[in-house]
Amino acid sequence: GEDVEQSLFLSVREGDSSVINCTYTDSSSTYLYWYKQEPGAGLQLLTYIFSNMDMKQDQRLTVLLNKKDKHLSLRIADTQTGDSAIYFCAESPNFYGGSQGNLIFGKGTKLSVKP
Amino acid sequence: EPEVTQTPSHQVTQMGQEVILRCVPISNHLYFYWYRQILGQKVEFLVSFYNNEISEKSEIFDDQFSVERPDGSNFTLKIRSTKLEDSAMYFCASSRTGVVTGELFFGEGSRLTVL
Repeated sequence: GEDVEQSLFLSVREGDSSVINCTYTDSSSTYLYWYKQEPGAGLQLLTYIFSNMDMKQDQRLTVLLNKKDKHLSLRIADTQTGDSAIYFCAESPNFYGGSQGNLIFGKGTKLSVKP
Repeated sequence: EPEVTQTPSHQVTQMGQEVILRCVPISNHLYFYWYRQILGQKVEFLVSFYNNEISEKSEIFDDQFSVERPDGSNFTLKIRSTKLEDSAMYFCASSRTGVVTGELFFGEGSRLTVL
């Protein structure tokens, strides 16, 4: 079945770049997403990428997609202490099959930013 | 900014008891979802709801689970006879368009502890 894997922890210094990696198994996924969860809050959509794209940039965020290797990454430039959170990778398999929201999530990567 | 709200934030219950988790989705949204996250595990899809009926459900969503939109604003998840393994954080989400861009708006979650 579909699966999404990501490393559980990442620690960086303030001002450095963070790179959070994710692998997925469903090659038919149409969209891939990054969600952020701050302590005590719900999951917030950060960005998404359509499967026919290789890269998407949005201010400090860069998403890279290697469809051949089924590898997705999220780069945060100039990481700030406010970026400390859990980051979830997710895929939406079978979208054109009529899925109404069956996102497949990874376990989440906890990003710790040290001052 | 509109948000999805969930109550209670934390509920402790005895095994075998019925539990109702409540959600108020964003008012102009049409698609509603429940996800759950067992501690240390992935966020898992339970069910999606559109046009007053279940549109998709996972294997987890067995006969002990039910959803309802009783009054046009609330969206509830009922667990009929709770088991220890139902202990988890339950997230409600809503969307205006379904999984078009993955823009699911999540609530902060309801933590359920079954003793």
